[in-house]
Amino acid sequence: DTGVSQNPRHKITKRGQNVTFRCDPISEHNRLYWYRQTLGQGPEFLTYFQNEAQLEKSRLLSDRFSAERPKGSFSTLEIQRTEQGDSAMYLCASVIGGPEQFFGPGTRLTVL
Amino acid sequence: GIQVEQSPPDLILQEGANSTLRCNFSDSVNNLQWFHQNPWGQLINLFYIPSGTKQNGRLSATTVATERYSLLYISSSQTTDSGVYFCAGGTSGTYKYIFGTGTRLKVLA
Repeated sequence: DTGVSQNPRHKITKRGQNVTFRCDPISEHNRLYWYRQTLGQGPEFLTYFQNEAQLEKSRLLSDRFSAERPKGSFSTLEIQRTEQGDSAMYLCASVIGGPEQFFGPGTRLTVL
Repeated sequence: GIQVEQSPPDLILQEGANSTLRCNFSDSVNNLQWFHQNPWGQLINLFYIPSGTKQNGRLSATTVATERYSLLYISSSQTTDSGVYFCAGGTSGTYKYIFGTGTRLKVLA
């Protein structure tokens, strides 16, 4: 499979726990984006990387959120001390050159 | 920032009917995509169409960049077309997208 992959597909956690999601972009895609989608809404931009550099972060990305892309390959999104408001679908997209984005299947987070 | 408005918000069709979905932008965008979100949540690329017209099977799209809107046409709809359709736009540079709130389509057999 040469598409964008995300793991896990579903995550249920208790409030206050830390969670980490992984995104593997399409091979050789140099840009990687994270979006968050809450129920009934369109996806909202969180952050993006060009290779290993994180170039922009949305105001939605509070201090409890951190994203990395070591070596410019896969990326991780960590949420510390989860809150019920963090429940959402977390989507990853990758781009080669630009600008057409290709999305992964998403990670659905439920915070109890 | 750019605002994206989609209409209609909900649409119910009988199988075989045609439909037009619209996307309006509050400001000019250089990049524009249409997506179909399947029941499992994945966004499927339909068109990258910052301007002009494209067709792919029963689907076609037209973007009039000077008037800041785009249209998605679905002809001879099928039950498998059901789901949520999103348009998203952005400007050059970061290429980050601003999404609309979607059109929820249900096609009845």
